[in-house]
Amino acid sequence: DGGITQSPKYLFRKEGQNVTLSCEQNLNHDAMYWYRQDPGQGLRLIYYSQIVNDFQKGDIAEGYSVSREKKESFPLTVTSAQKNPTAFYLCASSIKGTGGRTFFGQGTRLTVV
Amino acid sequence: RKEVEQDPGPFNVPEGATVAFNCTYSNSASQSFFWYRQDCRKEPKLLMSVYSSGNEDGRFTAQLNRASQYISLLIRDSKLSDSATYLCVVSLSGYALNFGKGTSLLVTP
Repeated sequence: DGGITQSPKYLFRKEGQNVTLSCEQNLNHDAMYWYRQDPGQGLRLIYYSQIVNDFQKGDIAEGYSVSREKKESFPLTVTSAQKNPTAFYLCASSIKGTGGRTFFGQGTRLTVV
Repeated sequence: RKEVEQDPGPFNVPEGATVAFNCTYSNSASQSFFWYRQDCRKEPKLLMSVYSSGNEDGRFTAQLNRASQYISLLIRDSKLSDSATYLCVVSLSGYALNFGKGTSLLVTP
């Protein structure tokens, strides 16, 4: 089945540590995205990538980094510079230029302990 | 001013009721409009796209008023399984999406 796979589903991080969230898609989509969701809040865009080896900052990129070395993969690193990283992280993808026909992974729930 | 605004609710309605959600967006250059559904602690899933001519999918009807920058979703004959958060979504560039905070719906027996 085609889809987006995020791992792990739950992640616990100690303060000061970097962690990397995995996102893989087999939908052959050009565009991939990372969003963050906090309780009672809408999704906010962290980074997005329209093609391999290129990505752009979203609204809340500080403290995060990404790479897009393969079309299928768009990992997100939450660095120690991110002051409030506890949140629900959602990876998504879409066919280039179609905007809303966007599909989401099941999310990674990150908690700082 | 937030780009996409929704009434957060919650809307508590009995089974069989008709319920309407509203949403406004601030950027008149927005190109694409959608309603997503999100269940508790799950990822959002596309419910339907929204067009100026209005569109219907079974019990769900969506409307877009570009002049007023207003989007609506009507759910008829509510089912228990309709209980979820409904996200109004707007795309400016055709790529990344701008999400409202969502409207919570609880359908009760």
